[in-house]
Amino acid sequence: QVQLVQSGAEVKKPGASVKVSCKASGYTFTSYGISWVRQAPGQGLEWMGWISAYNGNTNYAQKLQGRVTMTTDTSTSTAYMELRSLRSDDTAVYYCARDRGWLRPAGYFDYWGQGTLVTVSS
Amino acid sequence: AIQLTQSPSSLSASVGDRVTITCRASQGISSALAWYQQKPGKAPKLLIYDASSLESGVPSRFSGSGSGTDFTLTISSLQPEDFATYYCQQFNSYLLFTFGPGTKVDIK
Repeated sequence: QVQLVQSGAEVKKPGASVKVSCKASGYTFTSYGISWVRQAPGQGLEWMGWISAYNGNTNYAQKLQGRVTMTTDTSTSTAYMELRSLRSDDTAVYYCARDRGWLRPAGYFDYWGQGTLVTVSS
Repeated sequence: AIQLTQSPSSLSASVGDRVTITCRASQGISSALAWYQQKPGKAPKLLIYDASSLESGVPSRFSGSGSGTDFTLTISSLQPEDFATYYCQQFNSYLLFTFGPGTKVDIK
């Protein structure tokens, strides 16, 4: 069965960086894309960006351009999201989600990871 | 950037009720709209994609309709497990995604 298993919770200080991993299993990793979505406490969902697991092409949300980098390691079927220059308003649960598009996004997410809480606090 | 609005922001309903949630886009998005259900402490679950296609394994009481700027999610007969928050999400030609603000459905 398809599974996306994310790394554990993180506590970071303002200005630091965080790197969250998302290990995929149960499907051909390079035949799909991965998006990252975050959710601040008590708030709605915010799309952060998409990466093709086939060729590494990325699209990032404009508000995060320059602070976020998404990568994949096809040898381990793992996707990564790194966010730099953390601020308190980056405190959120971060989700990876599978997108059915492999060269460009299909536009929706059919499987999700369990979420990773990132807390930014001094 | 394309904005999504949802109405109502919350509603109270009883088991067996027919529930309709509306999502409006600030500009036309053809049929590039999905609906998700999220329960507290859980990841979202895909219900509908391409505005009206039912995701595999999702009960047939869920349906989606619309195109262009106006979309609806309908639950034909609300079940106890349907009490949750529902989000619409669009995908545009610039390869960018946006979620609506959500509609919370709780028990009357």
